[in-house]
Amino acid sequence: DAGVIQSPRHEVTEMGQEVTLRCKPISGHNSLFWYRQTMMRGLELLIYFNNNVPIDDSGMPEDRFSAKMPNASFSTLKIQPSEPRDSAVYFCASGRNSGNTIYFGEGSWLTVV
Amino acid sequence: ELKVEQNPLFLSMQEGKNYTIYCNYSTTSDRLYWYRQDPGKSLESLFVLLSNGAVKQEGRLMASLDTKARLSTLHITAAVHDLSATYFCAVDEETSGSRLTFGEGTQLTVNP
Repeated sequence: DAGVIQSPRHEVTEMGQEVTLRCKPISGHNSLFWYRQTMMRGLELLIYFNNNVPIDDSGMPEDRFSAKMPNASFSTLKIQPSEPRDSAVYFCASGRNSGNTIYFGEGSWLTVV
Repeated sequence: ELKVEQNPLFLSMQEGKNYTIYCNYSTTSDRLYWYRQDPGKSLESLFVLLSNGAVKQEGRLMASLDTKARLSTLHITAAVHDLSATYFCAVDEETSGSRLTFGEGTQLTVNP
């Protein structure tokens, strides 16, 4: 099993630019999560999808952030326009139904300068 | 709002010693996860605890769950340097799907 695949692994962008992070969940998993990790705030859930439907986006910081899951094998997290305070590691994770292991991708390391 | 608190946040210990990391949470839940994260790496699943009294062991690590006390523990036996990492507990507060809320993490350093 290839695991959760994220791209890009690293991105450095200028403030104001659009950033798109991509995720391919593990085949057969019906839940997908986007987390953000920073030193100050730890691991925060941004949004999660169940069967491609957004269930809870209350963690999305503001309107600059948006996420989509057009099909069971692909999701994007977009930041437009990006700001330096968005610099963080963004993890995508996937799992089956409640009570099963949730697997994390390697993360996308974003730096906004 | 669900709160998940780990104790201690930083732990430095000698090889061969035993220690316990505590995870307290503020809601009724019987689904508790433990993860390990090495510096610059992803989160690796260690244990999933799904009922009151659940105990799981893997090598030198043992995790337990007491849902009545809203407490999980991660016990380290005879620590070795390779266990140095940050350990996170996470609580699933959803009855359908999963919505993990993570603790702050415990940064463990095992000294030779």
